[in-house]
Amino acid sequence: DGGITQSPKYLFRKEGQNVTLSCEQNLNHDAMYWYRQDPGQGLRLIYYSQIVNDFQKGDIAEGYSVSREKKESFPLTVTSAQKNPTAFYLCASTLYRGTDQPQHFGDGTRLSIL
Amino acid sequence: GENVEQHPSTLSVQEGDSAVIKCTYSDSASNYFPWYKQELGKRPQLIIDIRSNVGEKKDQRIAVTLNKTAKHFSLHITETQPEDSAVYFCAASMRGNAGKSTFGDGTTLTVKP
Repeated sequence: DGGITQSPKYLFRKEGQNVTLSCEQNLNHDAMYWYRQDPGQGLRLIYYSQIVNDFQKGDIAEGYSVSREKKESFPLTVTSAQKNPTAFYLCASTLYRGTDQPQHFGDGTRLSIL
Repeated sequence: GENVEQHPSTLSVQEGDSAVIKCTYSDSASNYFPWYKQELGKRPQLIIDIRSNVGEKKDQRIAVTLNKTAKHFSLHITETQPEDSAVYFCAASMRGNAGKSTFGDGTTLTVKP
């Protein structure tokens, strides 16, 4: 059964701590994306990657980092530099590079500060 | 960059009534307009999309219309059911924009039985 798997579902971060959110897809999609969702707001793009070993900053990249060492995997690290990390994080993918096509989303990770 | 505005932010209808959600976009180069439905605590899922070379698209009770001149597109849900209750997001993207979609802020639709 193909899809996008995000883990963990819930994550708590202590002050000064970096945490990593996992995103794995078995859809053989080329491009992957990370979004942040705050209450009452739309999805805001953090980072995206259209090909292995390459990624670009989105609209709100400060305080976050990513890697794309494998086509299937696109982990997001929330660093201590992100002062307001509490949000719902969604990973997505598209079959091809470019966005004039549907995005497939994971179930999300809810991050909170301890 | 692209800016997408979505209205209304909340919408409450009686079961069986129609619901309409509207989005406006700023960049005339945008050419792909999807609509996603997100149930509480779940992932957004595509329900319908439209490309700029089409004015209207329908799928059973759901339809989307696009007015390129006015730069707006709308989601129409007819014969609403309680299971239609969710948050609906519109988005706009353009070919060659290197992976960037711009989303509206969402509309919370409540269908009262």
